[in-house]
Parts: sequence; C-alpha cells; structure tokens
Amino acid sequence: EAGVAQSPRYKIIEKRQSVAFWCNPISGHATLYWYQQILGQGPKLLIQFQNNGVVDDSQLPKDRFSAERLKGVDSTLKIQPAKLEDSAVYLCASSFGGVSTDTQYFGPGTRLTVL
Amino acid sequence: SQQGEEDPQALSIQEGENATMNCSYKTSINNLQWYRQNSGRGLVHLILIRSNEREKHSGRLRVTLDTSKKSSSLLITASRAADTASYFCAPGRRSGYSTLTFGKGTMLLVSP
Repeated sequence: EAGVAQSPRYKIIEKRQSVAFWCNPISGHATLYWYQQILGQGPKLLIQFQNNGVVDDSQLPKDRFSAERLKGVDSTLKIQPAKLEDSAVYLCASSFGGVSTDTQYFGPGTRLTVL
Repeated sequence: SQQGEEDPQALSIQEGENATMNCSYKTSINNLQWYRQNSGRGLVHLILIRSNEREKHSGRLRVTLDTSKKSSSLLITASRAADTASYFCAPGRRSGYSTLTFGKGTMLLVSP
C-alpha cells in the first residue's frame, strides 16, 4: 500500500514570504494530522482533520498558519508570513479512524528553512 | 491530549547489548504507543500497549506498562546499529478522538 506522500521535501524561503505544503494521506484514512518538529524536539500537533472537518487546531498559530483538507482527502498547510522560528520539519500523518488506538502513519516530511 | 516524557534523553550502547528507555505520563490513559524516528524511515509506529495489559512483545521489543506508577518502558534486546534512532512514547486518552502528544524522545545510539 502506498504511504503518506508529502511535497516538497525541502523548502528555503526568506522571512515574511509565504509557503505551502501538500499532503496526500493513505487511501481510506479518515484522519489527517499536521505536525511541526523543531530540531531536537518531538513532533507537535498543529491540526487534526476528521474527513474534512477540524477536530483539533488548538496549537495552530492561526494568525499565520492555515490548513484545509479538500474533499476529505488531500490537505495543504500554509504559512503566511513566515518567521525565522517557523524553521522546522512539517510532518503529515494519517490514520484510519482517529481514535487513540489507531496507528498513525507518517510521511517523510518537508524541511523548511526560513532565512 | 497528554504528553509522555521519555528518559533518558540519550543512550549510547554497543551492538548486541540491550537498551531500555522509560516513559512517564500524568493522567489516566487508554493505551500507550511507542514510535521510532530515524533518518532513513522517518517516524514509524512500533507497538501499542493497552491499559489492561502489563507486558507486550514484538520481535526484539518488549514493552511494559505500570498504570499505578503511570510509566512504561521499552526494551530492545540484542541491539543493532540499525536501531539507532529517537524513540517517542505517546499516551492515548480514554475516549473520543485522540491526538498524540510526543515528548522530546530518547536518542539511542548503537555502535558497531
């Protein structure tokens, strides 16, 4: 079975620019997650979708970050404008149902560098 | 969601030795998962243990859970260089949709 796909794999931008990341989850998975992982830290959940509805976005900096999940499948995460502290790896994950016993399957991530 | 805290932060061993890492959490859980992250395969699920289980095995992995102490341990037996990675625990709450909250992890280095 195909895994979680993400693009681009790497992105370098200057502060105040905007950037978008794309994620395609495993087919049939209802739940999609976006995580931010800063070097030396564990992944931090930014937003969780159940189909195309938001379940948890409590840690998403909504003044600059936005995310959508079109038709309950693919998702995009946007940062506008970017700050230096946004430099991190952005991980997308998906799971079948979204309950605590579900296994989350992670994509390879997008490494963002903000100069 | 609640965060697990892994201990130690870093662990360095030789191939063939066993590696033990621990996880503590603060509130009641339904289950606890362990994940591994390395540069080659990214973040991957290893094993899930439910709150009514005390021990679970998967290949060279052995996980224990002590709900009275709110702690779990992951034992990797006969470590290999390929086990070099960061290991994260993720406690799962009891009901409803659940988000996983990861700690800083334990960085394991297995030297040949």
